[in-house]
Amino acid sequence: AQSVTQPDIHITVSEGASLELRCNYSYGATPYLFWYVQSPGQGLQLLLKYFSGDTLVQGIKGFEAEFKRSQSSFNLRKPSVHWSDAAEYFCAVGPRIFKAAGNKLTFGGGTRVLVKP
Amino acid sequence: DSGVTQTPKHLITATGQRVTLRCSPRSGDLSVYWYQQSLDQGLQFLIQYYNGEERAKGNILERFSAQQFPDLHSELNLSSLELGDSALYFCASSRTSENEQYFGPGTRLTVT
Repeated sequence: AQSVTQPDIHITVSEGASLELRCNYSYGATPYLFWYVQSPGQGLQLLLKYFSGDTLVQGIKGFEAEFKRSQSSFNLRKPSVHWSDAAEYFCAVGPRIFKAAGNKLTFGGGTRVLVKP
Repeated sequence: DSGVTQTPKHLITATGQRVTLRCSPRSGDLSVYWYQQSLDQGLQFLIQYYNGEERAKGNILERFSAQQFPDLHSELNLSSLELGDSALYFCASSRTSENEQYFGPGTRLTVT
């Protein structure tokens, strides 16, 4: 069965400091990997995705993530955090191709990021 | 703005009642997904429809049902509501050629 683990429930970071959020997954095949962000009271916004190719992917808002197959990880990073990055971040895994039998995403438990001034 | 719309934004109702949540997918997307987000369960997949047909079921209770209409909008029906059904319900949509799912803003359901 597929699963996603985000080991850090909360992270506090100072504004301007770097941020790294961890994500480990378990999936039967090579997965399609995503990071979503949820600001307070908002829906889920897609930050970036990894499908294939270059294992370092760039997303919106200055975020990047690196896929490491050997470690089953897809960690999210940002070099310099802004106060507006305070939010909850979710890692998700799903099938790489559209399947007739279904295409659900499996989400991690989320990491809440607090930004200190 | 993802292009996925959900109504209503908020819903407050009493135990035992029935409610309907509505979702309109992005233009051109044939698949609609429903997810539930609660404090204790996190984000859980409920059900997927593709071009009007049910394609996958997750942890959806028998009291819950969904459908996708010919115009591709979808409705999630929740009946005999319990306090534990209070949650944020998200709809997402995707295209056939890819599996990126774009989420709507959600409907916050409060059962009192």
